[in-house]
Amino acid sequence: GAVVSQHPSRVICKSGTSVKIECRSLDFQATTMFWYRQFPKQSLMLMATSNEGSKATYEQGVEKDKFLINHASLTLSTLTVTSAHPEDSSFYICSARSLQETQYFGPGTRLLVL
Amino acid sequence: EDQVTQSPEALRLQEGESSSLNCSYTVSGLRGLFWYRQDPGKGPEFLFTLYSAGEEKEKERLKATLTKKESFLHITAPKPEDSATYLCAVQLRGTSYGKLTFGQGTILTVHP
Repeated sequence: GAVVSQHPSRVICKSGTSVKIECRSLDFQATTMFWYRQFPKQSLMLMATSNEGSKATYEQGVEKDKFLINHASLTLSTLTVTSAHPEDSSFYICSARSLQETQYFGPGTRLLVL
Repeated sequence: EDQVTQSPEALRLQEGESSSLNCSYTVSGLRGLFWYRQDPGKGPEFLFTLYSAGEEKEKERLKATLTKKESFLHITAPKPEDSATYLCAVQLRGTSYGKLTFGQGTILTVHP
């Protein structure tokens, strides 16, 4: 149980285009999901907290107009990187919070912006 | 300021050589402490949650303990497949929606 999926697992895009990443909790409902970014050999950096049916809460320094988050259902949250640039290249990971308050993580999405 | 510090940064063990990883925290109020394992290029995998000092949890070769200032992840007779980065994270009391604060991780390498 407690499986979280992400799609796509890898994406390469041109600078200036937008990329959407999906995060799904497969066997449980999650009113809260989180989006993280991880640079090589570093720990996870929380970008935003996503709550079903309401606006996301962004961490300090994260541009909400650049990283659009939608949490339309209890099992799906999406992160859209708008007008992506090479500096947005990174490993993006989502997590879904269970009723027991444990965060279960997806496998991550590797984004490369050329 | 709330802080989570893991040590050592990296640990090399021979197969069968038991050891411990440390996670010390300085926080205003702890609601829970979480341990995760992360393999390269993958998302973290949940291992344990600890809520109160004195609590212990075990899973195969791993045992997690918690005091008022720190947590230990004990690895007994490790195998090469235990090689990974081990992350600890704290959830603070009063944190909205269960936000976690992560340590920097300990990279464990177990040689055959």
